[in-house]
Amino acid sequence: GENVEQHPSTLSVQEGDSAVIKCTYSDSASNYFPWYKQELGKGPQLIIDIRSNVGEKKDQRIAVTLNKTAKHFSLHITETQPEDSAVYFCAARLTGGGNKLTFGTGTQLKVEL
Amino acid sequence: DVKVTQSSRYLVKRTGEKVFLECVQDMDHENMFWYRQDPGLGLRLIYFSYDVKMKEKGDIPEGYSVSREKKERFSLILESASTNQTSMYLCASSFRGTGELFFGEGSRLTVL
Repeated sequence: GENVEQHPSTLSVQEGDSAVIKCTYSDSASNYFPWYKQELGKGPQLIIDIRSNVGEKKDQRIAVTLNKTAKHFSLHITETQPEDSAVYFCAARLTGGGNKLTFGTGTQLKVEL
Repeated sequence: DVKVTQSSRYLVKRTGEKVFLECVQDMDHENMFWYRQDPGLGLRLIYFSYDVKMKEKGDIPEGYSVSREKKERFSLILESASTNQTSMYLCASSFRGTGELFFGEGSRLTVL
């Protein structure tokens, strides 16, 4: 099955700085890579996703890049704000795997004033 | 807005008790999932269902079972709770063939 590794487990940045979270996946048959944000006391929520036929995708201050050859993908948050503080999970889905996602272990992002 | 409702936010049970965790979604989603969240381990898939009365094992099904008698409801059952099942349980749903999972707020189970 698929295995997803995520780093770092914790990340602290100053407000206004950029934050980068990296994930690697094991199965080259994976074709869909979403990122979820989990705020305290809530369930995870999709913030951005990318499919294997695209190398980069942006949505305002967040962007995701995908390197299929190296089997890794990254989340980039620019101009971080206190409300970006949360746990972020990457995930991967195998082609033909229905909608079954394999998640990374999570990154606790803290944006300090 | 899509709403996934988990019946209990916090539960405390004793070892050996039978535990039911209920999840209801209101968006007519075909797919429903149960994940377990533990620090340092991320979200791990327990069971999922793509249709009524259908279920498939995820990555960590041991000690759990599920029931899906109606499209909107997916129940997770712990036949005999053990202390190593103390965890946060997250239910999610999605349309068939699409990527986005919609999660409930979670049920934190403590087994004493």
